[in-house]
Amino acid sequence: GENVGLHLPTLSVQEGDNSIINCAYSNSASDYFIWYKQESGKGPQFIIDIRSNMDKRQGQRVTVLLNKTVKHLSLQIAATQPGDSAVYFCAERGDMRFGAGTRLTVKP
Amino acid sequence: EPEVTQTPSHQVTQMGQEVILRCVPISNHLYFYWYRQILGQKVEFLVSFYNNEISEKSEIFDDQFSVERPDGSNFTLKIRSTKLEDSAMYFCASSGRVNTGELFFGEGSRLTVL
Repeated sequence: GENVGLHLPTLSVQEGDNSIINCAYSNSASDYFIWYKQESGKGPQFIIDIRSNMDKRQGQRVTVLLNKTVKHLSLQIAATQPGDSAVYFCAERGDMRFGAGTRLTVKP
Repeated sequence: EPEVTQTPSHQVTQMGQEVILRCVPISNHLYFYWYRQILGQKVEFLVSFYNNEISEKSEIFDDQFSVERPDGSNFTLKIRSTKLEDSAMYFCASSGRVNTGELFFGEGSRLTVL
């Protein structure tokens, strides 16, 4: 049958700019969230996680913000590089199902 | 750095044939998963496995699919009679903890059913 491509939300940024990728979740009882990155042709790769008792967590060039009031997560990438081009998706760790993600394209 | 390894990297098979995809999870992990990704689509959960039994499976994981941990190191996914729509990338993942902790994914096995 026809293999219909998934139309992902996309974000295109200039190299060196900051990127913000957003994710909404539905389960207010979720207490642990992870951001994954999937480069073309590769498996998903862990970026950063955050527990619900935190609002913010920083890694190397990445920051995750958690707003439990509106059930929203964001991933901020500082000084975005071409190697950051990938699909990014968040996951509620208790739920093994992933969303479609956001495709980030970094223009040199 | 420990990693999840998958074999084969690519398998081409005829419709109706049985396929076994193999995974070697990270050695001290206890929770194992299979996901699939049809070209251009999102990563879909198939099954999770713990303590030698399936702990959860999705609606995709029908009677044509089975999983096994035959020898304490390998974790296999068998598709009994492949269909064209089984063509996808299959990812194995493992975790040291359930409900917290990251999943470590392998590089995937691409299955092409002709």
